[in-house]
Order: sequence, then structure tokens, then C-alpha cells
Amino acid sequence: EVQLVQSGAEVKKPGESLKISCKGSGYSFTSYWIGWVRQMPGKGLEWMGIIYPGDSDTRYSPSFQGQVTISADKSISTAYLQWSSLKASDTAMFYCARLYAWGSYRAFDYWGQGTLVTVSS
Amino acid sequence: EIVMTQSPATLSVSPGERATLSCRASQSVSSNLAWYQQKPGQAPRLLIYGASTRATGIPARFSGSGSGTEFTLTISSLQSEDFAVYSCQQYNNWPPGEWTFGQGTKVEFK
Repeated sequence: EVQLVQSGAEVKKPGESLKISCKGSGYSFTSYWIGWVRQMPGKGLEWMGIIYPGDSDTRYSPSFQGQVTISADKSISTAYLQWSSLKASDTAMFYCARLYAWGSYRAFDYWGQGTLVTVSS
Repeated sequence: EIVMTQSPATLSVSPGERATLSCRASQSVSSNLAWYQQKPGQAPRLLIYGASTRATGIPARFSGSGSGTEFTLTISSLQSEDFAVYSCQQYNNWPPGEWTFGQGTKVEFK
């Protein structure tokens, strides 16, 4: 069974750093791209970036370039999303999702349960 | 960046009725479009990929159509479990792609 299990909720202060995780199981972790998606309170989904754990090839949304870092450790089938200095506006739910291909079409077929990040002084 | 615009923002429907949701791209995305369903407190769930193909396990009452810049998600006869937010998503410039979501349409009970 394919599963993406994310790390637990975090409460941080502005200026602090944070790294959240997404552990894949039930499939070949190195063979599928993993994307990260932000959902601010009461708002829609925003694509942040995507990584290929096999070689750590990464692409960021222009909106998130320089704001976060996406990485992966294929030895433990885990992808990461990190911030070096959090802001209150980073408060949101963050999802990881696996990218699957059906012929030439692609979409995110499995999603993690989400990690809620709250940044407040 | 391609902008995805969904309409309406909220759709009030009675159970058993048909629901039609629209998604428009600011430039052509061919058929590189997916639809997701999200219920409160849950992660999104893939419904449709390639603009019109149902994902595994998705009931036949869900159908997608369109290509280029205009797309539609139709729920033929709304069930109680279908009240949720629906989001479209496109990608271009694969690999690895630049992905954008629409802002979502909330389907609520009339």
C-alpha cells in the first residue's frame, strides 16, 4: 500500500527554523517525483515545488523560490521542506504528494496527511 | 506563470442534482489538467487526470471534459459525500513541470 506519512504539527516563533518531513512507503521512493503544496487557512492549494528523490533534481514555484528548501534523503525514503527563518505568514497546512504518470499525463495520486505549521510570537 | 481561474466560487446544489464546475487557463495547457476533491480536515483526493480520465476508484458520476484553456468537471447526480471543495490543477514545461492550482469551487448543500 502506497503511503506518505508526514511529520507532526509544529508551533514556532518568527525567525525560527523548521524542517518537516514526508516518508514514503509501499513503492519505489526514488522513482517518483514528490511535490509540496501549501494551504493557508481557509484558502486554496498552492504548488510550492517538486523533487525527484532519485537524483534530488528540484524545481520551485517562482512564488516560493528562495523562501523554502526542498530536499530528500533516498536512503530513508523521506522528503523534506525547510525554512531558515519563519514568518507569521508561513502559518499553513503543508502537504506532500506523489506524482504519478499515466502515459503522457501526470497528477498527484497519493497525498500525505498534512503538517500544520503555526508561526506565532 | 499560467493562472487557473475556477467558477463559480460556490455552487449550491441539492442532492441528486447535476453540478457543473468550470476551470479556465490563462493559456493553453493541452490536456494536462487534473481535478481534486478536498473535504474539511482531509488531504486532497485525485479525481480526474488528463482532463477526462477518472482516477482509480472514482465513481462514474464524476466526469471531466475540455482541452486547451476551458475545462469542466461534472457530477451527474450529487451524493451527500460529494459536498466538498474541488480544485483544478495544470502543469506545463515538463520535466519537471510548473504546476498551478485554481482557487477552488465549494459545492455546498442547497
